[in-house]
Amino acid sequence: ELKVEQNPLFLSMQEGKNYTIYCNYSTTSDRLYWYRQDPGKSLESLFVLLSNGAVKQEGRLMASLDTKARLSTLHITAAVHDLSATYFCAVDTGRRALTFGSGTRLQVQP
Amino acid sequence: GAGVSQSPRYKVAKRGQDVALRCDPISGHVSLFWYQQALGQGPEFLTYFQNEAQLDKSGLPSDRFFAERPEGSVSTLKIQRTQQEDSAVYLCASSHRTRGLAGASSYEQYFGPGTRLTVT
Repeated sequence: ELKVEQNPLFLSMQEGKNYTIYCNYSTTSDRLYWYRQDPGKSLESLFVLLSNGAVKQEGRLMASLDTKARLSTLHITAAVHDLSATYFCAVDTGRRALTFGSGTRLQVQP
Repeated sequence: GAGVSQSPRYKVAKRGQDVALRCDPISGHVSLFWYQQALGQGPEFLTYFQNEAQLDKSGLPSDRFFAERPEGSVSTLKIQRTQQEDSAVYLCASSHRTRGLAGASSYEQYFGPGTRLTVT
């Protein structure tokens, strides 16, 4: 059974600081997705990572994928309050259904 | 263009009632997924359609849950004899295949706003 683990589950950080969220998964996959969810809202797609070594950047967020280590990271640079949300990684092992991590709740303090 | 829409957005049901949740996918998207999201958790897969065919229903928690997509577009998730543990947000997603760099395929899923079901 595929397991997807995110850490940390909760992250409180100050504006301007950098931090990394980790996503480990337990079986072979070369498709990994990152989503953002604001309270009471649905999931917004952030990044699609399709191969080993893939790196994508958008604004203050950068995501990478290491399929050999079964690890993806979401790096936050110089955090701002607007980034406060819950971030999920999700893995597709080829059966098309996504298996999600538990989410990382990010709170950026002014 | 229009995204995935779901209705109703909120549903309160008494225990034992049947409910039907509707999903309108993005036009032209072949694949449609249902997920259940409990409070404070990540979404969990319920079932998947490709056109009108239900290809995977391994995530449906019991035989009280039933989904259909008879014409390959709109889908309905039905829950019979609701129980309190069915209280959750039900998310629908649709996708189509796109080609990324170096020919890798993506099946990025686009999510609807969800239906929040509360069973009392």
